[in-house]
Amino acid sequence: ETGVTQTPRHLVMGMTNKKSLKCEQHLGHNAMYWYKQSAKKPLELMFVYSLEERVENNSVPSRFSPECPNSSHLFLHLHTLQPEDSALYLCASSQGEGAGDTIYFGEGSWLTVV
Amino acid sequence: GQQVMQIPQYQHVQEGEDFTTYCNSSTTLSNIQWYKQRPGGHPVFLIQLVKSGEVKKQKRLTFQFGEAKKNSSLHITATQTTDVGTYFCAGEFGNEKLTFGTGTRLTIIP
Repeated sequence: ETGVTQTPRHLVMGMTNKKSLKCEQHLGHNAMYWYKQSAKKPLELMFVYSLEERVENNSVPSRFSPECPNSSHLFLHLHTLQPEDSALYLCASSQGEGAGDTIYFGEGSWLTVV
Repeated sequence: GQQVMQIPQYQHVQEGEDFTTYCNSSTTLSNIQWYKQRPGGHPVFLIQLVKSGEVKKQKRLTFQFGEAKKNSSLHITATQTTDVGTYFCAGEFGNEKLTFGTGTRLTIIP
């Protein structure tokens, strides 16, 4: 049990589908993140939210759309994805998003785009 | 953006041998963290180093932060099969977000 729960753990979707990944943290943290992990780029930061406001978007394609309704929940909405988007998507949280904060990762959602 | 280089990318060792992975940055780091990801798992925080020249130990694992705070190493003594996984360093530059290294994947030959 990591304190950060992700669902679904595995997702297979077609390129025309719309799906969402969900993340919930039970640690009382103020910052939440989406990372993408693939063979090409082991840990690639996608989005950062601090106190429900997006503070960083690392030039992620618009087919990925994050949503943070409150400090405990984070979603990643997916639409018209490409096969190269197949990867492990990791949600994470930290107490703050400043110096020295430890990142706590969820178990990840394995996404396959067919 | 800032980069943290990590070497080697892969390391295969016989069980009982030592293992070391290195992280390097061209600019000074505020602090550096180390994470371990078991096969099929997610990264888990191991330790954070903040001070110049700092050395910390966790059983068979020894973590070092360079005097110039631009490099760090993780050394495992007498590896065991439970040490299998990918080890990531993650450096912080000022108040910027953590920048993860590319990881070193360790495999153990029994």
